Amino acid sequence: EDQVTQSPEALRLQEGESSSLNCSYTVSGLRGLFWYRQDPGKGPEFLFTLYSAGEEKEKERLKATLTKKESFLHITAPKPEDSATYLCAAYMNDYKLSFGAGTTVTVRA
Amino acid sequence: DVKVTQSSRYLVKRTGEKVFLECVQDMDHENMFWYRQDPGLGLRLIYFSYDVKMKEKGDIPEGYSVSREKKERFSLILESASTNQTSMYLCASSLPVSYGYTFGSGTRLTVV
Repeated sequence: EDQVTQSPEALRLQEGESSSLNCSYTVSGLRGLFWYRQDPGKGPEFLFTLYSAGEEKEKERLKATLTKKESFLHITAPKPEDSATYLCAAYMNDYKLSFGAGTTVTVRA
Repeated sequence: DVKVTQSSRYLVKRTGEKVFLECVQDMDHENMFWYRQDPGLGLRLIYFSYDVKMKEKGDIPEGYSVSREKKERFSLILESASTNQTSMYLCASSLPVSYGYTFGSGTRLTVV
């Protein structure tokens, strides 16, 4: 069964303390891996798309990487405004994305 | 920027009521989706549509139906609301899915 799993469920960081979030997938025919950011009470906002193993994308303090079995979202020197839930989603061979349950990141000043 | 608008941010309905959740997108996207989001379970797909008047069941369609009479509008219908349908409902739209989704702000539905 195709599955997308994120770890950890929650991550508490001190401001400036870099860390990584993991998204592992057991899907057949992965065509793309997406990262979204979701603030409380709001809809997810698009961050990155990765299409092939070895690909990397960066935006401010965030960098996403992709291997054949997992993706990482690295947060470098986070600030309190980086506090959010980060979702990953896999695009396979049909019309939809399959989402992980998310990692809630809290950055303390 | 593409905008996806959900008609209500918060709704409170009674058990047994018929509930309509409306979603409108303004950029001519072919694909539209309804998800529900629950703590620890992530986003689960209820229904999606890849064209006007077309609809496909997602992973959890039981107790729901949808309508897409116009390209820009995708409605989710709870035929007889139950307390286990209390959730955050998210609408999304996309060009080809490889471009990713654009989400609405969500509707927090409480069924009492």
